[in-house]
Amino acid sequence: QVQLVQSGGGLVKPEGSLRLSCAASGFTFSDYWMSWFRQAPGRGLEWVSYIDPSSSTLYYGDSVKGRFTISRDNARNSLFLLMNSLRLDDTAVYYCARVGSLVGSGTPDYWGQGTLVTVSS
Amino acid sequence: DIQMTQSPSSLSASVGDRVTISCRASQGVSTHLAWFQQRPGTAPKSLIYSASTLQSGVPSRFSGSGSGTEFTLTIGNLQPEDFASYYCQQYMSYPPTFGGGTEVDIK
Repeated sequence: QVQLVQSGGGLVKPEGSLRLSCAASGFTFSDYWMSWFRQAPGRGLEWVSYIDPSSSTLYYGDSVKGRFTISRDNARNSLFLLMNSLRLDDTAVYYCARVGSLVGSGTPDYWGQGTLVTVSS
Repeated sequence: DIQMTQSPSSLSASVGDRVTISCRASQGVSTHLAWFQQRPGTAPKSLIYSASTLQSGVPSRFSGSGSGTEFTLTIGNLQPEDFASYYCQQYMSYPPTFGGGTEVDIK
């Protein structure tokens, strides 16, 4: 069955950096677009970034553009999110997700368990 | 960006009830609309895509309808495990955007 297992996250100071990882199994990872979403405490869901199977097409939300970098390693069935210049309002639970439908801007079908990133001095 | 508005923001219901949640898009999204369920402290779960197609394994008491700007998620015969928050998401255009959520709790 499809599994997305996340790691990374934790407490980081403003302007610090952090890298999130997402290990995929149960499907052919190299066939799928992958994504990151986030959810600030007590808030709704926000799309963060997409990456295509060959890493040639990357999309970012305006709030993270220029600070976050999505990447993947198809040989290791892994997805990553490098977060630089972190701000207080980046505090959230971050989810990796497989993009199930490529129509339009895509929608996820399977989600990781989430990992909490807390930005605080 | 396309704004998604859900109503109500919360509702109370009993086991066995039929529940309807609405989602409105600020501009037409055709049927590029998905629904997600999120139980407290857990990751979202994908329920429906293309406005009305159930994801694999989702019980048939869940149904979706609508197109353009008006959409509905219906849960027939509400079960204890259905008490959760529900979110709609449009994927017609970038960025994909979500509604603010509807919390379904026990009456």
